[in-house]
Amino acid sequence: EAGVTQFPSHSVIEKGQTVTLRCDPISGHDNLYWYRRVMGKEIKFLLHFVKESKQDESGMPNNRFLAERTGGTYSTLKVQPAELEDSGVYFCASQRTALSTQYFGPGTRLTVL
Amino acid sequence: RKEVEQDPGPFNVPEGATVAFNCTYSNSASQSFFWYRQDCRKEPKLLMSVYSSGNEDGRFTAQLNRASQYISLLIRDSKLSDSATYLCVVSTRADTGRRALTFGSGTRLQVQP
Repeated sequence: EAGVTQFPSHSVIEKGQTVTLRCDPISGHDNLYWYRRVMGKEIKFLLHFVKESKQDESGMPNNRFLAERTGGTYSTLKVQPAELEDSGVYFCASQRTALSTQYFGPGTRLTVL
Repeated sequence: RKEVEQDPGPFNVPEGATVAFNCTYSNSASQSFFWYRQDCRKEPKLLMSVYSSGNEDGRFTAQLNRASQYISLLIRDSKLSDSATYLCVVSTRADTGRRALTFGSGTRLQVQP
């Protein structure tokens, strides 16, 4: 069974630019989470999808972040415009049911200059 | 105050040593508890779930004390390959139904030959 994949693995952009991160969950996993780790801090929750529906986006830092999950398959997280403090590692995790294990993707390392 | 507190370490131990990590959590409504392992620049991977009765997986033993809101991980006969960051993680069911993970900042373990 293929794991969670994320693209790109690294992204370096300038402040004010737009970046879109992609996550492909494990096939059949309805639950998809986005998390973020900024330098020196712990990994923190951003938002949760069940299929194509946003269940909870209480962890999104501000309205510069927009997440979608078209057709309940892959998900994208767009940052527009990017700020310096957005630098960090963005992880996606997928989960078959609410009580099962969350499997993490390898993450996207975002650097905003 | 952080929701999940861990000693950041590093813990430097010789091969074969026994090492213990502790963690406290602040939300008494937390329902599920885990230890994840994260290698440098990799994604977190589930090491083991933690149950009130205590559980063991080979050289690893985890304990949960709900009254004290305290979680522990014991590693016996440390191997070089155990070198990693160990993340204490709790899950709490939100009103939205999400069970996002709340991470500690991790405890770094370095096993030396």
